Amino acid sequence: AQSVTQPDIHITVSEGASLELRCNYSYGATPYLFWYVQSPGQGLQLLLKYFSGDTLVQGIKGFEAEFKRSQSSFNLRKPSVHWSDAAEYFCAVGTDKLIFGTGTRLQVFP
Amino acid sequence: DTAVSQTPKYLVTQMGNDKSIKCEQNLGHDTMYWYKQDSKKFLKIMFSYNNKELIINETVPNRFSPKSPDKAHLNLHINSLELGDSAVYFCASSYNIQSSGELFFGEGSRLTVL
Repeated sequence: AQSVTQPDIHITVSEGASLELRCNYSYGATPYLFWYVQSPGQGLQLLLKYFSGDTLVQGIKGFEAEFKRSQSSFNLRKPSVHWSDAAEYFCAVGTDKLIFGTGTRLQVFP
Repeated sequence: DTAVSQTPKYLVTQMGNDKSIKCEQNLGHDTMYWYKQDSKKFLKIMFSYNNKELIINETVPNRFSPKSPDKAHLNLHINSLELGDSAVYFCASSYNIQSSGELFFGEGSRLTVL
């Protein structure tokens, strides 16, 4: 069965610290992988995507993610977090329809 | 200019009522979707339409009836509302069905059934 697991429900970091949000997937074929961000009261916005090729992908707002096939992972990273990054982050996998993880809430302390 | 807009943003209603949510996109995309986000933030696809044609219907109760009068609009009508229908409903669009992972979301319509 296809699924996405985000093990961390809630993460708190200090502003300026580095960030890594974990995502593991189960998918029968070569996955298309995505990270979305949802600010409070807003819709989701695509941060980055992986289809094929270079396993390190760059996205908007200074985010990057690395696809590791051997670990079935697609973790999201940012070297230095800003207060405005506080939001809910969703990992997703799929082709004709997306399967979303349950999200990781990021809190940023000044 | 809002790319994907949905109305209303908030909906509070009694059990058993019928309600509609409207969605419009001005991106020129071919494909539109309805997603449901429950109270635990879990997001699940309900329907997708490609050029007014229903493509995905994810075993949603037939109380939910989507309608796409043209490729820029996708409305959702819900009959006989139940408590469990309380959720945030998101409309989204993608350039075409092949890019169904690259979604543009509306701001959501929060439905509360009392």
